[in-house]
Amino acid sequence: GAVVSQHPSWVICKSGTSVKIECRSLDFQATTMFWYRQFPKQSLMLMATSNEGSKATYEQGVEKDKFLINHASLTLSTLTVTSAHPEDSSFYICSADSRTSGAWGTGELFFGEGSRLTVL
Amino acid sequence: DAKTTQPTSMDCAEGRAANLPCNHSTISGNEYVYWYRQIHSQGPQYIIHGLKNNETNEMASLIITEDRKSSTLILPHATLRDTAVYYCIVWRYGNKLVFGAGTILRVKS
Repeated sequence: GAVVSQHPSWVICKSGTSVKIECRSLDFQATTMFWYRQFPKQSLMLMATSNEGSKATYEQGVEKDKFLINHASLTLSTLTVTSAHPEDSSFYICSADSRTSGAWGTGELFFGEGSRLTVL
Repeated sequence: DAKTTQPTSMDCAEGRAANLPCNHSTISGNEYVYWYRQIHSQGPQYIIHGLKNNETNEMASLIITEDRKSSTLILPHATLRDTAVYYCIVWRYGNKLVFGAGTILRVKS
């Protein structure tokens, strides 16, 4: 099946620094990618929807200037956590839609392995 | 907000069938029912999806009621490796994919 790869799998950084997480669809083109954040013992929380070639759509309460999303190609979306603080420590997960057409109906969303961010 | 409700947790004996219910009474006509599972500290894994007919693949079966307001995921012979959080989601292409709380399935020997 389709594969979505995230990098890095885990990262530790100092407070105040910025961290970039990459999400790649390895064997398909993804016009839409979703970014999620997951805290311990909680469900995945949608942060933003990333569309290739356009600005991301952020969910309410998610700071777009803090969580910069770039979707420059059909196989790559990046999430940059700017000026990270300890409260940004979390598990970040991306997903990509394997459909390339805009028709109604089914599609499959494939998820990356996740990236664990720890801010000291 | 998630459009599904699931039991918080369930236990299942190893080797027995695990039946995980999901209510989605506000599902739209063009939305599909998807099931994913998440094993600790990993990304969600796709299991199965369907529109209105029952579906089966190598992992599981999906039974959708005729009115499409609920569904059941069936793992025919649960193993210890099936212990995970199972998410039932209604979604169609172009919409946001929103997760609910899911069901913690514990398979016990």
